Amino acid sequence: DQQVKQNSPSLSVQEGRISILNCDYTNSMFDYFLWYKKYPAEGPTFLISISSIKDKNEDGRFTVFLNKSAKHLSLHIVPSQPGDSAVYFCAATFGSARQLTFGSGTQLTVLP
Amino acid sequence: DAGVTQSPTHLIKTRGQHVTLRCSPISGHKSVSWYQQVLGQGPQFIFQYYEKEERGRGNFPDRFSARQFPNYSSELNVNALLLGDSALYLCASSLTAGTANQPQHFGDGTRLSIL
Repeated sequence: DQQVKQNSPSLSVQEGRISILNCDYTNSMFDYFLWYKKYPAEGPTFLISISSIKDKNEDGRFTVFLNKSAKHLSLHIVPSQPGDSAVYFCAATFGSARQLTFGSGTQLTVLP
Repeated sequence: DAGVTQSPTHLIKTRGQHVTLRCSPISGHKSVSWYQQVLGQGPQFIFQYYEKEERGRGNFPDRFSARQFPNYSSELNVNALLLGDSALYLCASSLTAGTANQPQHFGDGTRLSIL
């Protein structure tokens, strides 16, 4: 059973526009959420995170929104750049081990 | 500063063999976690170690084992390899275990192919 879901396998956006990547989760125990970016032949790189006590966190061009009642989070990238083209994974954690539970990823392509 | 380093980068084995994958965490990081990523899916948690003790185990068979050494490096061992073990194996490190706002940092992985 997939506890973290990314229902869009791919997304294409024009350079300079906003990219919105979505993620849903089912386990209400999750209390910390992260986004990772992955380029081919590289490991995932940490982007941004949010605690369940917040509903928004910003870092430069990246903003993560959390809607706990809907069990939904989203990553906004503004403005999108061609270098943002990568696979984006959302992940969630809880408990003492803090193991990451990942979604299946969304391939973002930013077109010049 | 060096990031998480994994070796080897690629490995080809046949069914029934065993394999050992190695990971060196970021300097100062004491927790190491292992993940398996098969094509088209997100990474799946296998093990977490902190201060040489196992802190968490994912839903993997007993053919998978790991350990952490006094210098905080780690090995993942897989016995009796199956075709389905073909995947990218990722190692991640963090300063400690169990702290939410300490994100895990990943190495570039070992690509394991089983023939």
